[in-house]
Amino acid sequence: EPEVTQTPSHQVTQMGQEVILRCVPISNHLYFYWYRQILGQKVEFLVSFYNNEISEKSEIFDDQFSVERPDGSNFTLKIRSTKLEDSAMYFCASSPSRQGVSPLHFGNGTRLTVT
Amino acid sequence: DAKTTQPPSMDCAEGRAANLPCNHSTISGNEYVYWYRQIHSQGPQYIIHGLKNNETNEMASLIITEDRKSSTLILPHATLRDTAVYYCIVKIRGEAGNQFYFGTGTSLTVIP
Repeated sequence: EPEVTQTPSHQVTQMGQEVILRCVPISNHLYFYWYRQILGQKVEFLVSFYNNEISEKSEIFDDQFSVERPDGSNFTLKIRSTKLEDSAMYFCASSPSRQGVSPLHFGNGTRLTVT
Repeated sequence: DAKTTQPPSMDCAEGRAANLPCNHSTISGNEYVYWYRQIHSQGPQYIIHGLKNNETNEMASLIITEDRKSSTLILPHATLRDTAVYYCIVKIRGEAGNQFYFGTGTSLTVIP
């Protein structure tokens, strides 16, 4: 069964550094998402992306964050200047159509640790 | 999106059916009920979804009451690998928002 893959599985960075988290969505999917989960807390929506532009974003997704689909397969989340509170699991997801009925398929996440 | 209420935790004996309840008393007519689960710190895994009819797939069954104010996810023969946090989410179909809101879910422990 096709799956969403994320790399790296664990990323450690120093405060103030830029990080790029990478995702390869399922190949025939058109909608892409980033969620995050701070340790012990809920899974939170960050952003959705379709047709090379952001569809929706949450309050968490401020100017420090950006997303990009640089080629036909990768979908990336960039954090420009990391803060300690950015430490979390970051999950990429994709779906073949808008979430109305189609469920999301999630990757297994990247654990980001900011020191 | 309608809010959901789930018990924070449940236990189930291995091999028995696990019945996970969810209340969504403010659900509207065009909102679907979705179930996901999260095993340890892995990504959420889609299980099943439905509108008003009961649904069954290879993982589980979803029973939705006639008034749609509550539903039950049934894992027919729970195994140790079913130990996870189970999320019940109601989501409007179509244009009204793109994101799922994950609550705190039910932490299911399958006991040997």
